[in-house]
Amino acid sequence: KAGVTQTPRYLIKTRGQQVTLSCSPISGHRSVSWYQQTPGQGLQFLFEYFSETQRNKGNFPGRFSGRQFSNSRSEMNVSTLELGDSALYLCASSPGQGVGNQPQHFGDGTRLSIL
Amino acid sequence: ILNVEQSPQSLHVQEGDSTNFTCSFPSSNFYALHWYRWETAKSPEALFVMTLNGDEKKKGRISATLNTKEGYSYLYIKGSQPEDSATYLCAFTNDYKLSFGAGTTVTVRA
Repeated sequence: KAGVTQTPRYLIKTRGQQVTLSCSPISGHRSVSWYQQTPGQGLQFLFEYFSETQRNKGNFPGRFSGRQFSNSRSEMNVSTLELGDSALYLCASSPGQGVGNQPQHFGDGTRLSIL
Repeated sequence: ILNVEQSPQSLHVQEGDSTNFTCSFPSSNFYALHWYRWETAKSPEALFVMTLNGDEKKKGRISATLNTKEGYSYLYIKGSQPEDSATYLCAFTNDYKLSFGAGTTVTVRA
């Protein structure tokens, strides 16, 4: 069974640009969550999608958005990139809604660098 | 903001020795406590999801305990091996999202 796939693995952008990251969950998983890790910070929750609906959102500005498609694949978009957006972005999937008692299956992440 | 703290931040262990470290979390509105292992250049791997006070879980040489009343969990590694070198993350959840600690980085010296 294929794991969680994130593309691209690495990305370099400049300030002011926008970027779209993609996440394909494990087959059959309907929940996708996104996390950001910056140097010195733990994993910070961005948002969770289930059945094409955003169920919860972390404390990030509106420049961070996402969506989920009918096949459960998810995309995350960051507009007007800032230097502080340089980070590792991880997505995780699980079978059902919510993350409570379900182990999360993580992808390898997309490392975004802003110049 | 849910304050999840892990200590120590890092530790070095001699191969064959046992070790343990702590995760502290809010004791109110508890739903579950997750543990993940994150090896360099890999993705985080789920170790345990714990939901009940007094829960003890075991996976090979790694085990964890949970005290929801006082808000802490311990992770134990028995007979550490070089392949146990990783960052161990705990995460508290109220069901809607995971709030991660900064992790404990374990380095096992041969």
